[in-house]
Amino acid sequence: DTAVSQTPKYLVTQMGNDKSIKCEQNLGHDTMYWYKQDSKKFLKIMFSYNNKELIINETVPNRFSPKSPDKAHLNLHINSLELGDSAVYFCASSQGLAGAEETQYFGPGTRLLVL
Amino acid sequence: AQTVTQSQPEMSVQEAETVTLSCTYDTSESDYYLFWYKQPPSRQMILVIRQEAYKQQNATENRFSVNFQKAAKSFSLKISDSQLGDAAMYFCAYGGNAGNMLTFGGGTRLMVKP
Repeated sequence: DTAVSQTPKYLVTQMGNDKSIKCEQNLGHDTMYWYKQDSKKFLKIMFSYNNKELIINETVPNRFSPKSPDKAHLNLHINSLELGDSAVYFCASSQGLAGAEETQYFGPGTRLLVL
Repeated sequence: AQTVTQSQPEMSVQEAETVTLSCTYDTSESDYYLFWYKQPPSRQMILVIRQEAYKQQNATENRFSVNFQKAAKSFSLKISDSQLGDAAMYFCAYGGNAGNMLTFGGGTRLMVKP
């Protein structure tokens, strides 16, 4: 059973389009995250949600909007896609909000390519 | 802000040998956590080992162990008896008290030669 799953695994789209990446965790965790990994493999936090509430919102363009319909899901919607959005996006989850004490479990990643 | 530095973009090791991956970090916090994640070609991020800063004892997980030097802000990963399946990108990560986000280093690509 996959603990943290993401769909789709690959996403190829044109500039200007709007797309969504879905994330689901079946671990019963309260906190979920989105990270972006650029072409140089650098990983950076984008958002963190705890019990459907936004906790961390790093410097990310407002074209990126996370949506958490329930605590098991955290979807990432991206408007007006740009070339620079091409990256691998990772969803992760952890049990609670006790800082980094809680180990984060990552999904398999979604490779987004904007043409 | 915390920073994490991995000074070795690539490392290689002979199968069955031992290799050490370096990681240094910068922080003003006294309580924090450090992690090593493995990213194989499948792209999955897999937790290898974690260390609590308040613990003096170095964490170990089977063939994986760390050398945690708090004063030097150093957190290296030692892989013993390297196996072909250990070939991957390895990321060092810092987790502090400012929220629950992880700050990652730039990664080290480990190649294992048969």
